[in-house]
Amino acid sequence: DADVTQTPRNRITKTGKRIMLECSQTKGHDRMYWYRQDPGLGLRLIYYSFDVKDINKGEISDGYSVSRQAQAKFSLSLESAIPNQTALYFCATSEDGYEQYFGPGTRLTVT
Amino acid sequence: KNEVEQSPQNLTAQEGEFITINCSYSVGISALHWLQQHPGGGIVSLFMLSSGKKKHGRLIATINIQEKHSSLHITASHPRDSAVYICAVRGSGGGADGLTFGKGTHLIIQP
Repeated sequence: DADVTQTPRNRITKTGKRIMLECSQTKGHDRMYWYRQDPGLGLRLIYYSFDVKDINKGEISDGYSVSRQAQAKFSLSLESAIPNQTALYFCATSEDGYEQYFGPGTRLTVT
Repeated sequence: KNEVEQSPQNLTAQEGEFITINCSYSVGISALHWLQQHPGGGIVSLFMLSSGKKKHGRLIATINIQEKHSSLHITASHPRDSAVYICAVRGSGGGADGLTFGKGTHLIIQP
C-alpha cells in the first residue's frame, strides 16, 4: 500500500460548490503539506502543518482552508470552487522538512 | 523573477545521449531536491543535496553552493527516462516551511 494516499484522484465540480480533498499517510510524519500544480507555473505551496495544532498558510492560501484531523490526515477544502482553482493538487509529508514524500495527486476541474 | 529557474524547459534527445538539466536559484538554501514526475502525475524524489555530488545508477546530481547552481545528469539515456524533472529548494532563512519549485524540464528520449 502507498505511504501517502489522496482521495479522490479525479474530480469535476461546478463553480460555487464546496469540495474537500483528503490526504492520509502511514509514514508517521508530523509535517504535511498541500501544493497545487498548474501548467507552466510549477508547484506552489497552499498550506502546511507541523502537527495537529500547528497549521500555517503558504504562498497561495486564499480561497482554501485545511483541517488536520489527526497526525495521519490532512484535508484541503475549497469553500466555493472557482474555475481558476482547476489544477493538480498534491499532498506531501516529511519527517523533518527536508525529504518530502508525495501523494499521487488529485486532478480537480471546476466548470 | 522566479526564485528557482530551470533550463531547458523542454528537451528532446536520442536514446543513449548524455543529458544535462540545469537549475539556478536566488535564495539561500538548506537543501536542493531533484524530483521526477511521470505522465501519470506522480512525483518521486531522486536526490536531496546540500553540497557536492550524488550518484544513483545512471543519474548524477551536483550542486555548487557559491554559484547557486545545480545540475542533473543522465548518462546513457533511455526512453523510460522521459518525464518532467523538477528542481526544488528548501530555504535557509525564516519564512514558510515547504519547498519552492522550478517550473520543470520536460524530457523526451526517443528510441
